[in-house]
Amino acid sequence: RKEVEQDPGPFNVPEGATVAFNCTYSNSASQSFFWYRQDCRKEPKLLMSVYSSGNEDGRFTAQLNRASQYISLLIRDSKLSDSATYLCVVLRSGSYIPTFGRGTSLIVHP
Amino acid sequence: EPEVTQTPSHQVTQMGQEVILRCVPISNHLYFYWYRQILGQKVEFLVSFYNNEISEKSEIFDDQFSVERPDGSNFTLKIRSTKLEDSAMYFCASSDAGQGGDQPQHFGDGTRLSIL
Repeated sequence: RKEVEQDPGPFNVPEGATVAFNCTYSNSASQSFFWYRQDCRKEPKLLMSVYSSGNEDGRFTAQLNRASQYISLLIRDSKLSDSATYLCVVLRSGSYIPTFGRGTSLIVHP
Repeated sequence: EPEVTQTPSHQVTQMGQEVILRCVPISNHLYFYWYRQILGQKVEFLVSFYNNEISEKSEIFDDQFSVERPDGSNFTLKIRSTKLEDSAMYFCASSDAGQGGDQPQHFGDGTRLSIL
């Protein structure tokens, strides 16, 4: 099983839709979790950290389920500008080496 | 907002040559990283650097690679005897201090390395 797995998509949704992505991780010692977005041929940019209790930032909500070893990202009221690849990043406890998922592609169309 | 800057944005090099990729991390950050991303593939960790030495490295980071912080601001990645398969986007990142790596990393906009 890969250390971090994501459905590559693409998820093709209309503007205004709500869309959710999951990311599963295999190492139960994983401690820190992040969602990044990456536009085509650009650098990854931090979208949000994921906290144990779940957290929200505007239209974006992140959840962590340690028992099932997955994190999720929910995007409400999708905008055209949300079109990007969303990368799940996991850090093991005591390590500074992040493991990136391959990303989930989102396409928001008019 | 402070940024990580990388130069050059694109480097074209003949196979077998050496290249040096340069990065200026965010000034108050303490941890520095290099990653690569082969076209169409995931971002891969190469090396992390703290307190003027390598703290962790991946299996990709073999003797062909080296990193250096030659002064108080620059952080460089040297690739010796480049191969065709070294063609990729190379990202530098930096982060603040934290417990167990819980500080997010901020990425530069990358150097596209093309080996001919």
